[in-house]
Amino acid sequence: GAGVSQSPRYKVAKRGQDVALRCDPISGHVSLFWYQQALGQGPEFLTYFQNEAQLDKSGLPSDRFFAERPEGSVSTLKIQRTQQEDSAVYLCASSSGTGDYGYTFGSGTRLTVV
Amino acid sequence: AQSVTQLGSHVSVSEGALVLLRCNYSSSVPPYLFWYVQYPNQGLQLLLKYTTGATLVKGINGFEAEFKKSETSFHLTKPSAHMSDAAEYFCAVINNFNKFYFGSGTKLNVKP
Repeated sequence: GAGVSQSPRYKVAKRGQDVALRCDPISGHVSLFWYQQALGQGPEFLTYFQNEAQLDKSGLPSDRFFAERPEGSVSTLKIQRTQQEDSAVYLCASSSGTGDYGYTFGSGTRLTVV
Repeated sequence: AQSVTQLGSHVSVSEGALVLLRCNYSSSVPPYLFWYVQYPNQGLQLLLKYTTGATLVKGINGFEAEFKKSETSFHLTKPSAHMSDAAEYFCAVINNFNKFYFGSGTKLNVKP
């Protein structure tokens, strides 16, 4: 597609519920990133994929967070047993990986845990 | 280690006035530096980036930034603010592994 598409745009979850957030990167982009943006803060790195390989997951805040990109295109960020502190905007970004550092961000998914 | 500090969480200017948003970085490797803009309920849009070459970088919407290694700064400027420039601006540095480190953001308010 023309841009990075994220769905849903908004998600309200009850505490303890599992959620899945989807990211459709730009077609052909090998690199994919997930960031978490808490209210009033800058985005913070969660995880990075190159094709289907998850090369860095050092930013995932707990073992309740899990990300996958099984076919090297669409990625899903899953949060199990959501907590109130998980409320944030989750941003996905992709790049061609050619070294031009041309990253395109999606509009994000705003997760509210009640 | 990489980090970014943005001075001033809120900046207010009059329409037509100079915009100056400050960014200082810390990087253990030659930095690649970025400015992004975020409008309400939207994702991040790239304004400009410095990777190598000319230290004065021109971006979209009339913005520019200058990489000053001696001052570890990458301040964003625009000669004349427009109402449409009201948004939140993020400075970021990237490490060798393509991981962005963002500042905490500066909200720009433009007064008529």
